[in-house]
Amino acid sequence: DAGVIQSPRHEVTEMGQEVTLRCKPISGHNSLFWYRQTMMRGLELLIYFNNNVPIDDSGMPEDRFSAKMPNASFSTLKIQPSEPRDSAVYFCASSPSRGVYNEQFFGPGTRLTVL
Amino acid sequence: DQQVKQNSPSLSVQEGRISILNCDYTNSMFDYFLWYKKYPAEGPTFLISISSIKDKNEDGRFTVFLNKSAKHLSLHIVPSQPGDSAVYFCAAINTDKLIFGTGTRLQVFP
Repeated sequence: DAGVIQSPRHEVTEMGQEVTLRCKPISGHNSLFWYRQTMMRGLELLIYFNNNVPIDDSGMPEDRFSAKMPNASFSTLKIQPSEPRDSAVYFCASSPSRGVYNEQFFGPGTRLTVL
Repeated sequence: DQQVKQNSPSLSVQEGRISILNCDYTNSMFDYFLWYKKYPAEGPTFLISISSIKDKNEDGRFTVFLNKSAKHLSLHIVPSQPGDSAVYFCAAINTDKLIFGTGTRLQVFP
């Protein structure tokens, strides 16, 4: 299995632009998580889905952030408009079933830089 | 408000010696704790976990200790190897979420 796939691996954009991050979870996994990593706050959960349905989006920082999971094999995290403080590494993770007691498998992350 | 804290951003240990990584938490309702390891340009990978009904869990060179009264857990790596050089994240389960700390960068030198 290829593991969790994220694209792009690096994204550099200018303030105000729309950014879309993509994730393909491990086949057969029912839960998908989006995290953001910063030096100050470590890894923060932004949102997670179970069976393509958003379960908890309380970690999404602002309305500028949105996430979708149109099917079991694809999810997007969109930032519109982007701001310099959004610069971080964004990770997607998937898990075989609902509940955080199951191991989460992380993708390699997308490093976002907003100038 | 950081519910899971790793107060040491970095740690340097000689190969063969013990590495001790510490983690403190504030919420006494946390009932399950995990350690993740992260290499550069890769996502975190699960390392070891412990339930709050235990005070120790061992897996090879890795042992996690939990002190509930102090709200403290630690990860011991014995003996440390250069391949252990990575960032280690402590995490706690809160209802249906993983709450991560900020990480400790471990460097094991020859």
